[in-house]
Amino acid sequence: AQSVTQPDIHITVSEGASLELRCNYSYGATPYLFWYVQSPGQGLQLLLKYFSGDTLVQGIKGFEAEFKRSQSSFNLRKPSVHWSDAAEYFCAVGAYSGGGADGLTFGKGTHLIIQP
Amino acid sequence: KAGVTQTPRYLIKTRGQQVTLSCSPISGHRSVSWYQQTPGQGLQFLFEYFSETQRNKGNFPGRFSGRQFSNSRSEMNVSTLELGDSALYLCASSSRGSEETQYFGPGTRLLVL
Repeated sequence: AQSVTQPDIHITVSEGASLELRCNYSYGATPYLFWYVQSPGQGLQLLLKYFSGDTLVQGIKGFEAEFKRSQSSFNLRKPSVHWSDAAEYFCAVGAYSGGGADGLTFGKGTHLIIQP
Repeated sequence: KAGVTQTPRYLIKTRGQQVTLSCSPISGHRSVSWYQQTPGQGLQFLFEYFSETQRNKGNFPGRFSGRQFSNSRSEMNVSTLELGDSALYLCASSSRGSEETQYFGPGTRLLVL
């Protein structure tokens, strides 16, 4: 079965500083990887996804992520954070069996705090 | 295009009751997935429907059930509610199935007293 680990429960970053959120996955085949963001009381908004091809993917709001197969990682980065980036960030992996999709498996999330 | 809509947004029930939640996917999307989000367990996959058929199911008891209609709208039902069913229930839609990107609705927050 697939799994996702987000090692950092909370991260505090100063506004304007760079950001890296870590994500490690476990999956037997080539994974489909996603980063979602959730603001308080809201649903999940897709930031970016990796299906295949270029291992560096660009997303919305200035985010990017790099797929590293050798490290089973899909870390999210942003060069300069804004106060509006404060939210919960979830990494997810998609698994697909012969009978169809098994649903996304999510990490526990990383709570991002932005210091002024 | 309108996004995924879920109704109601908030719900309060008592133990033993049942509840039905509704999800309208993005127009043209035929796959609807349901997830439960709790502080303790995080986001967990409940089930997925595609063209009115349940294709996959997560590890939840039979009290959790769902269905999908011909217009792709989906409902989720929880019978004999327990306190632990209090959660944010999220619905996601995609065009061909979960191998495509899933777009999430705002969720229904259920409180069981």
